[in-house]
Amino acid sequence: DIVMTQSPATLSVSPGERATLSCRASQSVSSNVAWYQQKPGQAPRLLIYGAFTRATGIPGRFSGSGSETEFTLTISSLQSEDFAVYYCQQYNNWPRTFGQGTKVDNK
Amino acid sequence: EVQLVESGGGLVQPGTSLRLSCAASGFTFDDYTMHWVRQAPGKGLEWVSGINWNSGRIDYADSVKGRFTISRDNSKYSLYLEMNTLRVEDTALYYCARDEGAYCSGGGCYGAFDIWGQGTMVTVSS
Repeated sequence: DIVMTQSPATLSVSPGERATLSCRASQSVSSNVAWYQQKPGQAPRLLIYGAFTRATGIPGRFSGSGSETEFTLTISSLQSEDFAVYYCQQYNNWPRTFGQGTKVDNK
Repeated sequence: EVQLVESGGGLVQPGTSLRLSCAASGFTFDDYTMHWVRQAPGKGLEWVSGINWNSGRIDYADSVKGRFTISRDNSKYSLYLEMNTLRVEDTALYYCARDEGAYCSGGGCYGAFDIWGQGTMVTVSS
């Protein structure tokens, strides 16, 4: 199975600052990576698919990059509503696998 | 409105069975691969199982293989998860999710999970 490893586990950021989240795959997954945001008590929400394509309705401050084994989610200017847990996921291989999550909290 | 609504969760004893359902609306159900994803209390997301549009491709996580069975009824716009021999470690919120299918390979189209239900809670405890 492909292991997705996210870092850091927790990222403390002030509103208006840039947040950079990393995700590493244990083997190449091409560009078949998605990023999700989950807030307490809510279902996950798709942010990015295909490593860099924003899903419908996702603000431009969210961007994704990377390919093969190294991926990054960047929030260019963090808003208060962006404090949440973020997960990466690969859909290149079965079984589908998620990273363990990065919690973005208020510094 | 595109929507997924799960049902069937509850409190059960170890070793027993439970059947989850997911009702889809607002889109053409048989155009999409569907998945079950679970989340144990305070933990991360774990993919459980996926089924393609015509049930020709089915996969399971190792943790549930041989105990859980995914199925779908396209005429009823419904997805199911039959869970047998439940264990305490199966306790989780179970989500169904739609696969947006942008990546085509091996005779099927797959992708990220673009629509999620609100989940149904399964608690396995004696």
